[in-house]
Amino acid sequence: EIVLTQSPGTLSLSPGERATLSCRSSQSVAGRQLAWYQRKPGQAPRLLIYGASNRATGIPDRFSGSGSGTDFTLTISRLEPEDFAVFFCQQYGSSPFTFGPGTKVDIK
Amino acid sequence: EVQLVESGGGVVRPGGSLRLSCAASGFNFDGSAMSWVRQVPGKGLEWVSSINWNGGSTAYADSVKGRFTISRDDAQNSLYLQMNSLRGEDTALYHCARVGSSGYYSHFDSWGQGTLVTVSS
Repeated sequence: EIVLTQSPGTLSLSPGERATLSCRSSQSVAGRQLAWYQRKPGQAPRLLIYGASNRATGIPDRFSGSGSGTDFTLTISRLEPEDFAVFFCQQYGSSPFTFGPGTKVDIK
Repeated sequence: EVQLVESGGGVVRPGGSLRLSCAASGFNFDGSAMSWVRQVPGKGLEWVSSINWNGGSTAYADSVKGRFTISRDDAQNSLYLQMNSLRGEDTALYHCARVGSSGYYSHFDSWGQGTLVTVSS
């Protein structure tokens, strides 16, 4: 089973700042099959990025993903007030499909 | 607009059974793989099970294998999860999710709000 580790656990930033979230895998993720999701309290998770770097439909271009192998990054170039949430990475290259524990981005 | 609405959650005793349903609309259901993902309150997300576009292939997390069964009814645009021999550690919010392809090795591009399952005596 591929174990995903996310860092930091919590990121405290101000609107307008840049957020850089890390996701590391215990094994290489086949075919860059890694996704990022955003979750806000009381809401369903929302797909942001798939295939490590492809933005999902309707996702603003301030969100970008990069990486391959075992190291992946989600970057939010300039935080908007609605971006503060918990972010999860997930690999779907091999079963069981696994999620990272999440990074909470909160307002400083 | 893609809509996924789960139902069937509730409180059940250890060893009991429950059947979750997910009503899908706004997309070509019979061309999409589907999955169930759960979240224990205050903890992370755990993939539970997936089914491909025609129901011919399924996959399960080890933690539920042999106890849970995923199925679909394309005529009803519905996804199901039959959960037997429930344990306390199955307590979670269960989400239905659409997979971004016809096979289940893909991301989850739409999610429902979830239905809460509580296993307690």
